[in-house]
Amino acid sequence: DTEVTQTPKHLVMGMTNKKSLKCEQHMGHRAMYWYKQKAKKPPELMFVYSYEKLSINESVPSRFSPECPNSSLLNLHLHALQPEDSALYLCASSQDWEDRVDGYTFGSGTRLTVV
Amino acid sequence: SQQGEEDPQALSIQEGENATMNCSYKTSINNLQWYRQNSGRGLVHLILIRSNEREKHSGRLRVTLDTSKKSSSLLITASRAADTASYFCATDARHFGNEKLTFGTGTRLTIIP
Repeated sequence: DTEVTQTPKHLVMGMTNKKSLKCEQHMGHRAMYWYKQKAKKPPELMFVYSYEKLSINESVPSRFSPECPNSSLLNLHLHALQPEDSALYLCASSQDWEDRVDGYTFGSGTRLTVV
Repeated sequence: SQQGEEDPQALSIQEGENATMNCSYKTSINNLQWYRQNSGRGLVHLILIRSNEREKHSGRLRVTLDTSKKSSSLLITASRAADTASYFCATDARHFGNEKLTFGTGTRLTIIP
């Protein structure tokens, strides 16, 4: 299995809702990532998990809460979002830095709309 | 924060022609990667070049890296309509002990049949 699977593909939520984005990989990668991408812009790093521990939080607002239940799963919990949080949310995984021979594997993303 | 700037921002060429995209970055890197993105969906990894490499080939792709100028280029030869996409360079580097992959601004490539 050489894929990163993200669910759901599309999500519309109100500003008072709580929702979660899910990401799964079975490639044995020990690093997993959340990126946010606005239209016509490059992806921007949000969080990095290495060996199931949060190693980087790029000063992301607390209304975004990441979770790594195990080495194959990554969640992003959403609460009290703002319309400007509408974007494509991308999950990725990779080999650990020392083992890196290839790039990141990205999921197809969740298109989030906050109304 | 963005590490790389890409040039041009948009490029339109006839099918069969070669396409060249350039990327400049600011800090020391471990490697540089190129990705393709179709229609705002997931990114597909194309090629990785390490900081101690100068040139790398993969099929119709040729990547160069000049660490003294902090720049890279991606050449796609004999372009096809299916190559129409956005292309991003991304720098893989350590920041305060943590590894980060930071994307450039991207080039929107359109292949005209």
